[in-house]
Amino acid sequence: RKEVEQDPGPFNVPEGATVAFNCTYSNSASQSFFWYRQDCRKEPKLLMSVYSSGNEDGRFTAQLNRASQYISLLIRDSKLSDSATYLCVVNSMNTGFQKLVFGTGTRLLVSP
Amino acid sequence: DGGITQSPKYLFRKEGQNVTLSCEQNLNHDAMYWYRQDPGQGLRLIYYSQIVNDFQKGDIAEGYSVSREKKESFPLTVTSAQKNPTAFYLCASSISRGQGLKGQFFGPGTRLTVL
Repeated sequence: RKEVEQDPGPFNVPEGATVAFNCTYSNSASQSFFWYRQDCRKEPKLLMSVYSSGNEDGRFTAQLNRASQYISLLIRDSKLSDSATYLCVVNSMNTGFQKLVFGTGTRLLVSP
Repeated sequence: DGGITQSPKYLFRKEGQNVTLSCEQNLNHDAMYWYRQDPGQGLRLIYYSQIVNDFQKGDIAEGYSVSREKKESFPLTVTSAQKNPTAFYLCASSISRGQGLKGQFFGPGTRLTVL
């Protein structure tokens, strides 16, 4: 079993749609969680950290369920520019040092 | 502007040759990392360094070597012992321990192709 699992997609949605991505992780000792965005042939860029109480940044909402070891990302009012691959990332170490484990990513395609 | 730079952007190498990928950061980050990314796979950790003159093997260190003589620089050498070196190589940095919520920041990457 992979340490971080994501549905690879692609998710094809029209502009303005709401789309949700899910991710599960296997290491119950994981301490911190992130969503990264990666455009084709570019580096990953940090989209948002995921806090235990859930957090929102504009059109993006992240949720964490530690009991189920599940992370989600909700994108509202999708824009064409949201088309990218979204990586679920977990800090697998139970110390402050970051040893990040990356999911393989979920691809999103937003069409006009 | 602060950031991470990697060079070259594209690199072609003949089999049997060693090649060194450059990574420089001016973010004043203590920790630096090297990953490789292959199609259909998540990023995999090659080496990381928490402090100058110290580095640790990641999950796939075989066939690679690094040095960390300066805080700003963390070059990666892909040796001829690496059996499948063609990949997208990404360097990252982060502030040091105790800052787990801050994530890592990536350079633009180097695409290495072995001919």
